[in-house]
Amino acid sequence: ETGVTQSPTHLIKTRGQQVTLRCSSQSGHNTVSWYQQALGQGPQFIFQYYREEENGRGNFPPRFSGLQFPNYSSELNVNALELDDSALYLCASSPGTSGYRELFFGEGSRLTVL
Amino acid sequence: AQSVTQLDSQVPVFEEAPVELRCNYSSSVSVYLFWYVQYPNQGLQLLLKYLSGSTLVESINGFEAEFNKSQTSFHLRKPSVHISDTAEYFCAVTRGTDSNYQLIWGAGTKLIIKP
Repeated sequence: ETGVTQSPTHLIKTRGQQVTLRCSSQSGHNTVSWYQQALGQGPQFIFQYYREEENGRGNFPPRFSGLQFPNYSSELNVNALELDDSALYLCASSPGTSGYRELFFGEGSRLTVL
Repeated sequence: AQSVTQLDSQVPVFEEAPVELRCNYSSSVSVYLFWYVQYPNQGLQLLLKYLSGSTLVESINGFEAEFNKSQTSFHLRKPSVHISDTAEYFCAVTRGTDSNYQLIWGAGTKLIIKP
């Protein structure tokens, strides 16, 4: 059983640029959620995708957008990068959207914005 | 708004000593409660969860947590820690409807095991 994989693991961008982060969900999981984890803080919910539709969003501006593909892999896109976007971005998959389900996390993509 | 407070950012403890990591949440409705652990250079993984029923839940590696509704707490305990327990521990709570839930996370507690 393949776990959740994320790419790239590290990347550096400059302010104003755009970035795409990728996530392959665990086999059999149809739900993907994305989190932002700033240094010294807990993860913050960005959004969730279920069967290619966004079905939940946290308090993030529209320049944070996503996609989920038919194979349930996912992308997180961030436009017009700001310095405060520097963080670890975590992807998690689960076999459904219910709140009691365990989330399976990747190791994250660490974004540095200069 | 719902929030989760982990009162200690770091907890140093000697090996084989007991430990308690504290978690308090704010909510006026029923919630699901979770503890996730992040070992060095690894992703987050579920340690244990409370959904309903018995207020004491246990993990396979000796941790336990007790749901206390009156105190809105979900503290994590282990009677004897091992060097392999060195990690960061996150408490999390659900919010929202069953089909549109969000996990609200605490800031994490680093467990530091002293030999």
